[in-house]
Amino acid sequence: QKEVEQNSGPLSVPEGAIASLNCTYSDQGSQSFFWYRQYSGKSPELIMFIYSNGDKEDGRFTAQLNKASQYVSLLIRDSQPSDSATYLCAVGKVSGGYNKLIFGAGTRLAVHP
Amino acid sequence: DTEVTQTPKHLVMGMTNKKSLKCEQHMGHRAMYWYKQKAKKPPELMFVYSYEKLSINESVPSRFSPECPNSSLLNLHLHALQPEDSALYLCASSQNRGQNNSPLHFGNGTRLTVT
Repeated sequence: QKEVEQNSGPLSVPEGAIASLNCTYSDQGSQSFFWYRQYSGKSPELIMFIYSNGDKEDGRFTAQLNKASQYVSLLIRDSQPSDSATYLCAVGKVSGGYNKLIFGAGTRLAVHP
Repeated sequence: DTEVTQTPKHLVMGMTNKKSLKCEQHMGHRAMYWYKQKAKKPPELMFVYSYEKLSINESVPSRFSPECPNSSLLNLHLHALQPEDSALYLCASSQNRGQNNSPLHFGNGTRLTVT
């Protein structure tokens, strides 16, 4: 079982719709969760981070965390073609007393006009 | 624009060459990272420096040698690389902040091609 799992997609949504991206993780002790957006050939860009169960909203983005189900999601409202990218879920892990992030394989989102 | 600056943006090197990748951040972060990313794959952690000391080495081959001269700079020295080492090399930085991991801030990366 992979430590962080995402559906590779592509997830195709029409412009203006809500895109829902999902991520599950295996380490019950994980405390921190991140969503990054990566355009082709570019570096990952931080979108959201969440530490506590529930929802966290920032503009058109909402991160949702359910630690009991080991599940984290990202909702993108009013999707735009410029949102078309790969979305990486990352989970914080303590290793040898130090913190590091484990990335999922990413979900490719395609927003069509 | 990113607050983590990587140079060069592109690098082509032969298998016998020695080269270095450079990374600089001025956000006051005390943790710095090297990640490697192959096409259509997620970033893979290589090294972590915390307060200028190497804290994590993810069993990276010795042909990759990291160096952290000060809290703002991170280098990756390359020697005798293989073609399969061709990838996007990403530098990142973060604050060290207790139990919760701080977000990583990535540089624009160095696209490395080994011929």
